Amino acid sequence: GQQVMQIPQYQHVQEGEDFTTYCNSSTTLSNIQWYKQRPGGHPVFLIQLVKSGEVKKQKRLTFQFGEAKKNSSLHITATQTTDVGTYFCAGRNYNQGGKLIFGQGTELSVKP
Amino acid sequence: SQTIHQWPATLVQPVGSPLSLECTVEGTSNPNLYWYRQAAGRGLQLLFYSVGIGQISSEVPQNLSASRPQDRQFILSSKKLLLSDSGFYLCAWTHDYEQYFGPGTRLTVT
Repeated sequence: GQQVMQIPQYQHVQEGEDFTTYCNSSTTLSNIQWYKQRPGGHPVFLIQLVKSGEVKKQKRLTFQFGEAKKNSSLHITATQTTDVGTYFCAGRNYNQGGKLIFGQGTELSVKP
Repeated sequence: SQTIHQWPATLVQPVGSPLSLECTVEGTSNPNLYWYRQAAGRGLQLLFYSVGIGQISSEVPQNLSASRPQDRQFILSSKKLLLSDSGFYLCAWTHDYEQYFGPGTRLTVT
């Protein structure tokens, strides 16, 4: 079945350093979403990417969707302590039922 | 605006006991509803989803079941809990393409 792999599992950075998490799908995706889960909280939707090669920015966060629509990345510039949490990607393939398949997440910790 | 409620927030249950977790959505009608489980604070595993009253699709065979007795109510149940049922249970609904998650129920089976 469709799988979505996410790396790394954990990332520890010093405040001010950059951070990137990568997401790879075993099949071509119709779209990909990113969610953030703060410690003890629930996942919150960040963004959806639909087009091949699409790049979207939200302040210090940059999201990319690969040309083949099988991979994606989230890059945070100059991390802050408020960025702490687990970042999940979730892929959807309408040719395979259209359900969201979540990656395992990347847990980000930021040392002040 | 739409709101999603889950209760209880935390639950400690012995092995072999029954389970009933409830999820309700306000401010929308005929939502697609989902139950996820998150083990050890990591990935989200889709357990069940429902596109309407009485319509339940199961993603993972296990000792859990789900029901949707009303349009905006989704219930997760078990007749006999296992230790492996421990985890963070999240209810979600879909608006357009975004999934909105409830606050979750943290279940510990002892």
